[in-house]
Amino acid sequence: SQTIHQWPATLVQPVGSPLSLECTVEGTSNPNLYWYRQAAGRGLQLLFYSVGIGQISSEVPQNLSASRPQDRQFILSSKKLLLSDSGFYLCAWSGLSEAFFGQGTRLTVV
Amino acid sequence: AQSVTQPDIHITVSEGASLELRCNYSYGATPYLFWYVQSPGQGLQLLLKYFSGDTLVQGIKGFEAEFKRSQSSFNLRKPSVHWSDAAEYFCAVVLSGNTPLVFGKGTRLSVIA
Repeated sequence: SQTIHQWPATLVQPVGSPLSLECTVEGTSNPNLYWYRQAAGRGLQLLFYSVGIGQISSEVPQNLSASRPQDRQFILSSKKLLLSDSGFYLCAWSGLSEAFFGQGTRLTVV
Repeated sequence: AQSVTQPDIHITVSEGASLELRCNYSYGATPYLFWYVQSPGQGLQLLLKYFSGDTLVQGIKGFEAEFKRSQSSFNLRKPSVHWSDAAEYFCAVVLSGNTPLVFGKGTRLSVIA
C-alpha cells in the first residue's frame, strides 16, 4: 500500500537559519508530488508540485525552494527563513484517484 | 481563472442536525472532485471523490456529496452530525493527471450539544 513519510513533525527555527523538510513516498512509482502550506484562515496554499525527477513547478514566488532528487523524494528548502515562513507544511502525492498526505510539519520561525 | 470556492469559512451545527458544506469550482471542463477532512494538527483524510457516473457519491463516515454540473458545485452533506465530525473540510479539484490538486480555503465545522 502507498504511504508517505514527512519529517520532522515540529520544528522551531530562528530567523535567518536554513530549512530542509523531507518527504518520501512508498508503494508507488512516478507520483505527482506536492508541497502545501497551511496558514490560519488561508486554507491550503500550493507551493510546489513535481511530475517527475528534477521537474519542479512553483506556484507562489517566495523564500522557499523545492527539489526532487529521486522519484519518491521531495524536499522543501530555504536558505534563510523569515518570520512569515511559519506555518503548517504538508507533503502530498497523487495519482488521479486521490491524493495522500503526510502528517505535516509545524514550523515556527522565531 | 480556475478556482475552487468554499463560501463558508465557519459553520456551527447542533449534534444530530443535518449538514451541507458548499463547494463551487470554476474550470473550463469538469474536473475530478474531492472532499477531504482535517482534524487539528493532522494531515488530510479523503472522504469521497467524484470522477464520472452517478452524481451522488457516498463516502466514509456517513458523508455524501452531489455533483451538479449546471451549478459547478460539489456540496458535501451528512444527514446527522456527530460531535466527532468537528474538523476542517476541504474541497479539492484536479483537471488532469499532470495538473496540480487545487484546494478551496476550507470550512471549519463546529458541533455543539
